Amino acid sequence: QKEVEQNSGPLSVPEGAIASLNCTYSDRGSQSFFWYRQYSGKSPELIMSIYSNGDKEDGRFTAQLNKASQYVSLLIRDSQPSDSATYLCAVENSGNTPLVFGKGTRLSVIA
Amino acid sequence: GAVVSQHPSRVICKSGTSVKIECRSLDFQATTMFWYRQFPKKSLMLMATSNEGSKATYEQGVEKDKFLINHASLTLSTLTVTSAHPEDSSFYICSATTRGGQETQYFGPGTRLLVL
Repeated sequence: QKEVEQNSGPLSVPEGAIASLNCTYSDRGSQSFFWYRQYSGKSPELIMSIYSNGDKEDGRFTAQLNKASQYVSLLIRDSQPSDSATYLCAVENSGNTPLVFGKGTRLSVIA
Repeated sequence: GAVVSQHPSRVICKSGTSVKIECRSLDFQATTMFWYRQFPKKSLMLMATSNEGSKATYEQGVEKDKFLINHASLTLSTLTVTSAHPEDSSFYICSATTRGGQETQYFGPGTRLLVL
């Protein structure tokens, strides 16, 4: 049983701070890792994908992957109130298999 | 790129009727589409995996005769909720994967179903 674990939150950070979202996964064979953002009442939208160990930066977002520790994280720099949403970690073992989603971490950025 | 649409975005129906939801990949060919259901303040729940030209694979506990899935082409999959009941009221979301390795799933905007 593949599992993806996230702290449900809420994680509250002040505006301008760095938000750190964490995710662990159980399947050591996992190859592809994704972060999705879901606003209340909306469908998930892709923020970042990462496939190899290390950091990947895209604007204010940085994804970090450590396959040895089976750990993936998302950092949001200069957090804005508009970043307030639920962030879903998703892990894929091989192509065309369903992503395994975590339950999501609710982030609240306080102005 | 990688846009997925769903139609309708919102539907209200009477108990006992059937509702069809369409999922289209607009700018890419989707080898696989997935159907999810999400109740308010709950996690995404995968219902089924749909591959073009073959039968859908349903997750445990999902009735295949109630939730009919047809993936007739590389750009279209449909979910039909047959004989809908109030407990089927939910947010139904599809996603699609692109061809090639390390596929990414792109989500449609979702369909909100209310069964009266």
